[in-house]
Amino acid sequence: RKEVEQDPGPFNVPEGATVAFNCTYSNSASQSFFWYRQDCRKEPKLLMSVYSSGNEDGRFTAQLNRASQYISLLIRDSKLSDSATYLCVVDTGTYKYIFGTGTRLKVLA
Amino acid sequence: EAQVTQNPRYLITVTGKKLTVTCSQNMNHEYMSWYRQDPGLGLRQIYYSMNVEVTDKGDVPEGYKVSRKEKRNFPLILESPSPNQTSLYFCASSNGGTDTQYFGPGTRLTVL
Repeated sequence: RKEVEQDPGPFNVPEGATVAFNCTYSNSASQSFFWYRQDCRKEPKLLMSVYSSGNEDGRFTAQLNRASQYISLLIRDSKLSDSATYLCVVDTGTYKYIFGTGTRLKVLA
Repeated sequence: EAQVTQNPRYLITVTGKKLTVTCSQNMNHEYMSWYRQDPGLGLRQIYYSMNVEVTDKGDVPEGYKVSRKEKRNFPLILESPSPNQTSLYFCASSNGGTDTQYFGPGTRLTVL
């Protein structure tokens, strides 16, 4: 079983749709969780950190479920510019960051 | 401007010819890391450094070396590159812990 697993997609959604991604992790000792965005083989950029209480940044909402060991990302009112690959990242607590393989999102006009 | 720079951005080389990819950050970050990204495998950590002269192996360290003699620089060394090291390489830096990692623009390496 991979340490961090994501559905690779692609998720093809129309503009304005709401889309949700999930990510599961296997190491229960994991400390920190992040969602990164990567455009077409460019460098990943932080989208948001994920906190136990859940957090929201504009149209983006991230949730963490430690009991079930998954994190989620919800994007509301999708824009064309949201088309990208979304990477789930887990910090195991020892400065080792494990990346998921990413979920591709295509927002269609 | 806060940034992580990598050089070269593109490199084609031949098996066995030693090469170094440089990484430099201007944010005074203590933590730096190298990743490689391959289709279907995502980003995998090669080496990381928590401070000057402190380095440790990530998940795929075989065939690579690193050094951290200065806080701002973290070069990746391939002593004897092989075709299976053909990949897209990213350097990253952060203040560690829950702080975000800032990534360099990537180095696309091809080993023939």
